[in-house]
Amino acid sequence: GAGVSQSPSNKVTEKGKDVELRCDPISGHTALYWYRQSLGQGLEFLIYFQGNSAPDKSGLPSDRFSAERTGGSVSTLTIQRTQQEDSAVYLCAFTQGEANYGYTFGSGTRLTVV
Amino acid sequence: AQSVAQPEDQVNVAEGNPLTVKCTYSVSGNPYLFWYVQYPNRGLQFLLKYITGDNLVKGSYGFEAEFNKSQTSFHLKKPSALVSDSALYFCAVRPGSARQLTFGSGTQLTVLP
Repeated sequence: GAGVSQSPSNKVTEKGKDVELRCDPISGHTALYWYRQSLGQGLEFLIYFQGNSAPDKSGLPSDRFSAERTGGSVSTLTIQRTQQEDSAVYLCAFTQGEANYGYTFGSGTRLTVV
Repeated sequence: AQSVAQPEDQVNVAEGNPLTVKCTYSVSGNPYLFWYVQYPNRGLQFLLKYITGDNLVKGSYGFEAEFNKSQTSFHLKKPSALVSDSALYFCAVRPGSARQLTFGSGTQLTVLP
């Protein structure tokens, strides 16, 4: 999507390996979100960052998942010791303005754990 | 906690016919409601939103949706479907007090020529 870049677009990794997924939104965004889209399922909220507040990590499925946002901009989602059930499309989104009415999504990273 | 239900996994409609994609929600307080569309191998694109005001909201590509508070529904509609409308459609909700959206499981719309 316009305004947010995700890399890599595709990632195949072996079970047990760590992976890092990157999200690079436009500058000046208000909040940044990570979602996961599994095959045949809806979008599952993972984590969001807003300003200097502590991130809301309530959606992270296990302690193998972590994320950070550096300099209030680029965000990295890290999955340690990947499992096959981690296979999904990981989507990053951002909002602008205080109202946070709608998201702009990136094209996602398709993660396949073999 | 909020939730969204899209009762139909698949909707098929003939080109030129009206289409409806159903969505019901559960949320405490006033809801903010959204529709997104996902084309194959692409990210989600915003279609329309209801925040306040008129219950009928119009969005991109000729789509519209009607907020019905008594039925807690926000069905997506289009008077005349196009083959190019074929895609995966997601309804989403959040209460005014929350930041993150809760999405439905999606409805695959297929418009037949």
